[in-house]
Amino acid sequence: GENVEQHPSTLSVQEGDSAVIKCTYSDSASNYFPWYKQELGKRPQLIIDIRSNVGEKKDQRIAVTLNKTAKHFSLHITETQPEDSAVYFCAALGGSYIPTFGRGTSLIVHP
Amino acid sequence: DGGITQSPKYLFRKEGQNVTLSCEQNLNHDAMYWYRQDPGQGLRLIYYSQIVNDFQKGDIAEGYSVSREKKESFPLTVTSAQKNPTAFYLCASSTSGHPNSYEQYFGPGTRLTVT
Repeated sequence: GENVEQHPSTLSVQEGDSAVIKCTYSDSASNYFPWYKQELGKRPQLIIDIRSNVGEKKDQRIAVTLNKTAKHFSLHITETQPEDSAVYFCAALGGSYIPTFGRGTSLIVHP
Repeated sequence: DGGITQSPKYLFRKEGQNVTLSCEQNLNHDAMYWYRQDPGQGLRLIYYSQIVNDFQKGDIAEGYSVSREKKESFPLTVTSAQKNPTAFYLCASSTSGHPNSYEQYFGPGTRLTVT
């Protein structure tokens, strides 16, 4: 089955800095890669996703890149703000439509 | 926050008792999922159902059971056979098989404590 590794487990940055979270996956058949944000005490919510036919996608301060050859994808957050503090999960899906999640990254943005 | 609900938010049980967690959605989604969330473990899949009256085991199904008698409802029972049931449980739903809609919508979660 699919295996998704996510790093780092904790990331601490100063407000205004950039943050990068990286994930690798094992199944070359995976073709959809979402990122979810979970604020403390709340439910995970989709913030951005990318499909295998695209190398990069941006939405304001967040972007995701995908390298299918190397089987890794990354989340980039620029100009971080305190409200970006949360746990971020990556996931990979293939033909079964069942996501495999990474273990999560706790992002802390210091004012 | 509408669309998918879970109840109760907090649940306390004594060891040896079965307990059922509720999950309801009004999004007309075919697929529903149950995840367990422990610190540092991410989201681990317990059971999923892609259609009414059918469900499949996930990665950590031992000690759990589910039913899917209605499209809107996917209750999870934590049985006394589950060795370490204290955790945060998340229910989710998604459209099933639609290539443009893989997004999972999560409920608010139930925090179960067993003593």
